[in-house]
Amino acid sequence: EVQLVETGGGLIQPGGSLRLSCAASGFTVSSNYMSWVRQAPGKGLEWVSVIYSGGSTYYADSVKGRFTISRDNSKNTLYLQMNSLRAEDTAVYYCARGIGYSSGWWVDYWGQGTLVTVSS
Amino acid sequence: QLVLTQSPSASASLGASVKLTCTLSSGHSSYAIAWHQQQPEKGPRYLMKLNSDGSHSKGDGIPDRFSGSSSGAERYLTISSLQSEDEADYYCQTRGVFGGGTKLTVL
Repeated sequence: EVQLVETGGGLIQPGGSLRLSCAASGFTVSSNYMSWVRQAPGKGLEWVSVIYSGGSTYYADSVKGRFTISRDNSKNTLYLQMNSLRAEDTAVYYCARGIGYSSGWWVDYWGQGTLVTVSS
Repeated sequence: QLVLTQSPSASASLGASVKLTCTLSSGHSSYAIAWHQQQPEKGPRYLMKLNSDGSHSKGDGIPDRFSGSSSGAERYLTISSLQSEDEADYYCQTRGVFGGGTKLTVL
């Protein structure tokens, strides 16, 4: 059974840093497209970042240069390092597994989410 | 630029059918998309991947009441025999792009 469990959310001051983790089971993280998606309060889903099975990484313009996606194959875990946090980064952050081909990629499993609140 | 467009809201009666639409921007009409459901106060749930030819593959445990179809740049999600638990937000997605979501109300 595929499971994704996010941890690491919390209250952080503007300008601070936080690292989210996503522990995966039932499949191999390094063999899949893995993504982070966020949802601000009362808003829709917003894609944040993706790491392809080959290791390429991509980011939304809103987080480029501040967030870093990575994975630890030995722990089968996905990470999101978030630096220089802003109030507008406040959201529930979801870890998501994707199915990918040369023609694109699509999320097929979601974690339960972890809340990040950026506030002084 | 790839954009997915969805109507903000839809409604239908209990037991009826409803068809939600996701429109791909110009130049991207051949793209496959995924449909996701988000019930109130819950995380998203993958429903299906929908190809440009209308073929689709559903996620684990998704009822037969949910089906997909395609026409040109439009991707559809049809829910038949509507139940109260189908009241939710529905999002389409491809690559790093999400539609704005459609809020479905079951009357």
